[in-house]
Amino acid sequence: KAGVTQTPRYLIKTRGQQVTLSCSPISGHRSVSWYQQTPGQGLQFLFEYFSETQRNKGNFPGRFSGRQFSNSRSEMNVSTLELGDSALYLCASSLGLATYEQYFGPGTRLTVT
Amino acid sequence: KQEVTQIPAALSVPEGENLVLNCSFTDSAIYNLQWFRQDPGKGLTSLLLIQSSQREQTSGRLNASLDKSSGRSTLYIAASQPGDSATYLCAASGAGSYQLTFGKGTKLSVIP
Repeated sequence: KAGVTQTPRYLIKTRGQQVTLSCSPISGHRSVSWYQQTPGQGLQFLFEYFSETQRNKGNFPGRFSGRQFSNSRSEMNVSTLELGDSALYLCASSLGLATYEQYFGPGTRLTVT
Repeated sequence: KQEVTQIPAALSVPEGENLVLNCSFTDSAIYNLQWFRQDPGKGLTSLLLIQSSQREQTSGRLNASLDKSSGRSTLYIAASQPGDSATYLCAASGAGSYQLTFGKGTKLSVIP
């Protein structure tokens, strides 16, 4: 069974631009969560989707948004990029059963110049 | 608000040694405690998940324990190997949520 896939794997953008990252969960998984990882802050929760509904959102500005489609694939968008948005963005999926076990993708490395 | 702490931040051991990584959390009302491994520049690989009703889980040379009353979890690695070198992260989740609160990790180096 294929794991969580994220595209693109690497991205270089300029300040002020916007970016869209994509995540395809493991087949059959209905929950997708997004995290930002930086050397200083570690892993921080961005948002969580279950069956196309955002169930939870972390403490990030409104420039960060996301959505989930009917096939459980998810996208996150960052508008008006800042240098501090440079990070590894990780997506995790879960089957949606009681254990809530999370499986992570390889991440998208975003560099903002 | 849940806070997760991992001490030490880095650990270096000779090959073959048994070792313990520590994780502490402030809110004992956790649902799961999950341990991950992260290689440089890569995503996270799930190692073990302990549900709140469990005390420990084992997989091969790895054993993770959970003590909710003291707010602690440990990851025991037996007979360490150079291939075990990575950053190990623990993460706690609350009931009804997929949101994980992570520690900063312990960077393990196993010296041949």
